[in-house]
Amino acid sequence: NSKVIQTPRYLVKGQGQKAKMRCIPEKGHPVVFWYQQNKNNEFKFLINFQNQEVLQQIDMTEKRFSAECPSNSPCSLEIQSSEAGDSALYLCASSGTPNYAEQFFGPGTRLTVL
Amino acid sequence: TQTVSQSDAHVTVFEGDSVELRCNYSYGGSIYLSWYIQHHGHGLQFLLKYYSGNPVVQGVNGFEAEFSKSDSSFHLRKASVHWSDSAVYFCAVSATGGYKVVFGSGTRLLVSP
Repeated sequence: NSKVIQTPRYLVKGQGQKAKMRCIPEKGHPVVFWYQQNKNNEFKFLINFQNQEVLQQIDMTEKRFSAECPSNSPCSLEIQSSEAGDSALYLCASSGTPNYAEQFFGPGTRLTVL
Repeated sequence: TQTVSQSDAHVTVFEGDSVELRCNYSYGGSIYLSWYIQHHGHGLQFLLKYYSGNPVVQGVNGFEAEFSKSDSSFHLRKASVHWSDSAVYFCAVSATGGYKVVFGSGTRLLVSP
């Protein structure tokens, strides 16, 4: 069973507000992923880190999202100015091996932007 | 570019039935293939993966999957389903040496009692 912790489980924001969510990966897992899952179950990869360094991120993440994984602190994903289209389930996953096909997911943060 | 196709959006079976959930992928290089399960309101749970060797891989809770290079497929099977297997199942592919995992659109399995 996954031990990835995500907080909060639910987040409600108004348009234009900041929305911040946190993730504690499994102990010893150096790689962390953030995904956005929409109501149609479609996944969008947002960003991933190895230790504190960004490995890959999509354009959307570069412009309106900010993310970090500081040492000895939870990883975080923040939307600077929320839009209605950002309403989704945000999933954090961690991986302990170079085999990224095996990821351990948290329960997600469900963001609703009113 | 890797792509993953799950042709069945919904599958309904009765408890005790066998089930096969289909996954086809497109990628020319060396890849890892995985299956995940997502129960309502929860994150994804890893079921199994394949990279090389025996094309039939065993996962948790009686699930297995079979890799076929000729068909570009990695179908998930279970011989006898339980009502608790009702969930959404995702097939995923990642290139070896890469960082990104591409998920299919998911298949919702409903097991009726």
